[in-house]
Amino acid sequence: EDKVVQSPLSLVVHEGDTVTLNCSYEVTNFRSLLWYKQEKKAPTFLFMLTSSGIEKKSGRLSSILDKKELFSILNITATQTGDSAIYLCAAWGGGADGLTFGKGTHLIIQP
Amino acid sequence: DSGVTQTPKHLITATGQRVTLRCSPRSGDLSVYWYQQSLDQGLQFLIQYYNGEERAKGNILERFSAQQFPDLHSELNLSSLELGDSALYFCASSVSAGGWNEQFFGPGTRLTVL
Repeated sequence: EDKVVQSPLSLVVHEGDTVTLNCSYEVTNFRSLLWYKQEKKAPTFLFMLTSSGIEKKSGRLSSILDKKELFSILNITATQTGDSAIYLCAAWGGGADGLTFGKGTHLIIQP
Repeated sequence: DSGVTQTPKHLITATGQRVTLRCSPRSGDLSVYWYQQSLDQGLQFLIQYYNGEERAKGNILERFSAQQFPDLHSELNLSSLELGDSALYFCASSVSAGGWNEQFFGPGTRLTVL
């Protein structure tokens, strides 16, 4: 059975800190790993990673995939209160089973 | 606003009942995805339709079924409801069949089973 595990489950930091969120996966015929941000409502797409070692960057957010060790990290630098959200990681096996999601990391940024 | 609409916003019903959740994708999107999010299970992919045909199937119970109509809107039918079916149900849409990275989520339907 495909599995995605995120850590930590919850994280509280001060504004301006840098955070690293972890995601490990066990997915048959792995194709892609995706990160989403979920605030009060629906998830919004952040990154899709398919190749090892290539960093994807968007502003203060960046993410990288390690296909050998089966994990990905999401970094957020100079955190702001607006970064407070649940960050979801999901893996796709390329087949007809869809995405497998982790339980998410609940990030709280304190002023 | 993602352009994906879901109705109703909230739904409260009793165990054993049947409900239908409706989703209208963004204009031009051919794929519709259904997700269930509960506190204990997190976000789970249920099923995907592309241009009227089932494309991918996740952890969808046999009591649940879905379809996509010729106008591309989709309905998720939940029957013989149980307390554990209480959750937030999201619909998402994308242009392509394999559009996992480009899907846009609707605001969700919150289902409460009493």
